[in-house]
This record gives sequence, structure tokens and C-alpha cells, in this order.
Amino acid sequence: ELKVEQNPLFLSMQEGKNYTIYCNYSTTSDRLYWYRQDPGKSLESLFVLLSNGAVKQEGRLMASLDTKARLSTLHITAAVHDLSATYFCAVDISYNNNDMRFGAGTRLTVKP
Amino acid sequence: ETGVTQTPRHLVMGMTNKKSLKCEQHLGHNAMYWYKQSAKKPLELMFVYNFKEQTENNSVPSRFSPECPNSSHLFLHLHTLQPEDSALYLCASSPHTTSGGLGQYFGPGTRLTVT
Repeated sequence: ELKVEQNPLFLSMQEGKNYTIYCNYSTTSDRLYWYRQDPGKSLESLFVLLSNGAVKQEGRLMASLDTKARLSTLHITAAVHDLSATYFCAVDISYNNNDMRFGAGTRLTVKP
Repeated sequence: ETGVTQTPRHLVMGMTNKKSLKCEQHLGHNAMYWYKQSAKKPLELMFVYNFKEQTENNSVPSRFSPECPNSSHLFLHLHTLQPEDSALYLCASSPHTTSGGLGQYFGPGTRLTVT
């Protein structure tokens, strides 16, 4: 059975601190996506990672993909309150966007 | 309107009611999806349409009936739902591609409560 596992599921951190969210998956894929969801809102695309070793950065967030280890990370640098949200990783197992499997999400709370 | 829109945004219905959720995408995509998001569960893919043809039905109960009249519109018809069907229903779309890599674009969702 395909599994997409995120950890931690809940993360509370202080402003200014660094932390990493992990996404492990159990099938062969070189397409991985990170989404952000604010409470009561939809999913917003953050990063698209399309090959082994891909690294993308946007502001205080940086995502990477290791397809051999079947692992993606989302690193948070010097967290700020505005980053509080739930973050999902998703693995595309269909090669045409049609079958994306999502992790359970990591609920991040950044405290002053 | 841009992106993916969904109506209504909130819906409360009784178990004997019939209602429909609507999704419209303004991105020129050819694939559309329905997802269910419940508390404490990962996002669940329900239905997939490619070029108006249903290509995926992930063992969804028949009380949920999708309809895709064209590549821009997707409906989810609901009847005789159960309280456990209460959830956020998300619509998404994606461009057709044989190489993948562009991901899916999500609508704002419909918060459904079944009483």
C-alpha cells in the first residue's frame, strides 16, 4: 500500500527558530509537491520538485527532494507568525498529475 | 473570475436532502478532481475527470454522483448523505500533460455539514 508520511504532524515553534518537516513516501516517484493550507481555506501550491536533488526556496521556506531515499524536506528558517498554517506534501504517482497522494499534513504554529 | 471557484462555500443539509456542489475552473485545464478533507484524515481523492471522461472513482459511495458537462465545469450531486459525510469538499484542476510536473490547482472548498 502506498504511504505518504509526514512528521511531525504538529509543530509549535518560537519565532526566529529553524525547523524541518519531513515527508517520506513508499513508491517510486520523482514528482513531489508542497502545499500550504490556512484554516478554513484551500490549498496553495508552494513548491514543485521534479527531480532527484531538486531544491527550491521561497522566502523563509526551502524544499528539497531525494528520490533515492524517497524523502522530501521543508526547511523553515527564522520562523515568523505568518508561517503558521498546515503544510502538506503530495506525491504524483501517475506522471500526468492525475493521481496525487497526500500526506496527513503538518500543523505549524509559530509563537512570538 | 480567475483560478478555480466553488459554490456554495458552506452548505448544511439534512440526510434526506438532495443538493449539488459546483466547481468551475478558468485556467484552460483538461482534468478536474473532487477531494474530501475530513478532520484527522489525509486528503482523499474521490473522482477524476480527464477531458470530461471519468477516469477514477476511488470506491466512493453511490450517494455521491459526479458530473462533468465540459472541461471547465464539475458538479458533485449529493443525496441521502450520512453525518460522517460532513467535511470540506475540494475541487481541483490540472493541465493535461503526459510528462506531469505541473501539479493541481485547488478551489476554496465547500464546507458541508450533514445534520
